[in-house]
Amino acid sequence: DAGVIQSPRHEVTEMGQEVTLRCKPISGHNSLFWYRQTMMRGLELLIYFNNNVPIDDSGMPEDRFSAKMPNASFSTLKIQPSEPRDSAVYFCASRGSREKLFFGSGTQLSVL
Amino acid sequence: GENVEQHPSTLSVQEGDSAVIKCTYSDSASNYFPWYKQELGKRPQLIIDIRSNVGEKKDQRIAVTLNKTAKHFSLHITETQPEDSAVYFCAARANAGKSTFGDGTTLTVKP
Repeated sequence: DAGVIQSPRHEVTEMGQEVTLRCKPISGHNSLFWYRQTMMRGLELLIYFNNNVPIDDSGMPEDRFSAKMPNASFSTLKIQPSEPRDSAVYFCASRGSREKLFFGSGTQLSVL
Repeated sequence: GENVEQHPSTLSVQEGDSAVIKCTYSDSASNYFPWYKQELGKRPQLIIDIRSNVGEKKDQRIAVTLNKTAKHFSLHITETQPEDSAVYFCAARANAGKSTFGDGTTLTVKP
């Protein structure tokens, strides 16, 4: 199993641009999570899906952030327009019927 | 919602010594408590977990203890090695819900 796959690994963009982060969960996992990690705020849960349905998006910072999961093997996190304070590492994680949460390698986002 | 507090934020030990990291949680419904290790520039990886029906679990040099009454759980690393240096996160979760993470502990093991 290739694990949770995220792309891109690094993204550098200018303020105001749209950013799309992508995630492929582990096959068979029915829960998917998007986290943001910064030095100041640690690991923050942005949103999570069960069976492709958004369950809790209370961590999404504002309307500039949106996430979709059109099918069991793909999810996107979009920021539009991006701002410098969005710079962080964004992790996708998935979980199956067992309890263990598996993280992807993350996307390092820098908004200039 | 759940609130997880983790202490200390930094911990420095000599190689061979033990390290202990403590976490408290607020939601009595939480019943699953994983610990993650994150090396610099890498993803968090699960190292050990414990369910609320167990008081202690051990895996080689790593052990976790849970006190449900006091709502706290701890990670114990014995015979520390330089490769144990990393950031460690505790988390708490109720059933199939979301995990709430502590703020992390930066462990440094000096050779």
